[in-house]
Amino acid sequence: EIVLTQSPATLSLSPGERATLSCRASQSVSSYLAWYQQKPGQAPRLLIYDASNRATGIPARFSGSGSGTDFTLTITSLDPEDFAVYFCQQRADWPTFGQGTKVEIK
Amino acid sequence: QVRLVESGPGLVKPSQTLSLTCSVSGGYISSGDFHWSWIRQSAGKGLEWIGRIYTSGTTNYNPSLKSRVTISEDTSNSQFSLKLSSVTAADTAVYYCVGSSSTRPKLNWFDPWGQGTLVTVSS
Repeated sequence: EIVLTQSPATLSLSPGERATLSCRASQSVSSYLAWYQQKPGQAPRLLIYDASNRATGIPARFSGSGSGTDFTLTITSLDPEDFAVYFCQQRADWPTFGQGTKVEIK
Repeated sequence: QVRLVESGPGLVKPSQTLSLTCSVSGGYISSGDFHWSWIRQSAGKGLEWIGRIYTSGTTNYNPSLKSRVTISEDTSNSQFSLKLSSVTAADTAVYYCVGSSSTRPKLNWFDPWGQGTLVTVSS
């Protein structure tokens, strides 16, 4: 099983600030990594796939980078609607998810 | 636009079988455009992929659940289903049905998701 470790667990920021979220894999997943956003009471929503490709309708302030074992999700300027929990997921092996990073309002 | 809706009992007794159905809109169930998965989310284990049925009909399961899981498809009713046997309290979770594209560019990524349904295992 490929274990994904996300950091930090919680990120406290203000609207307009830059958010940088990390996801580290226990072994190389090449570029087979995605990011999802989840708001309370909702299902996760695909943001980024193949490490750096934005899904349909995702604003340009969201970007993903990395390959191998280290990945980053960056939100360049936080909008009030961006405060949520973010998960990474790999599909290099059977799918597994990280434990999530909560982006909260400071 | 494909839409997924889960249905099934919200309460299951320990040792029994959990059965859920996902209704797929728009004729996509047999279009060949999507594979179909079940994913669950609990406070204790986070998001956990349960298994997938491919457009070919082949299935693939999480090794930790494989002995208890069956995913099947009913194209005549535009549905696919999950059966999880011998449930315990640890199987209490929100269960999501999810599609994943069978073609590039979003090959095998989880999108779209159903709204989820809470299943509690308790006597």
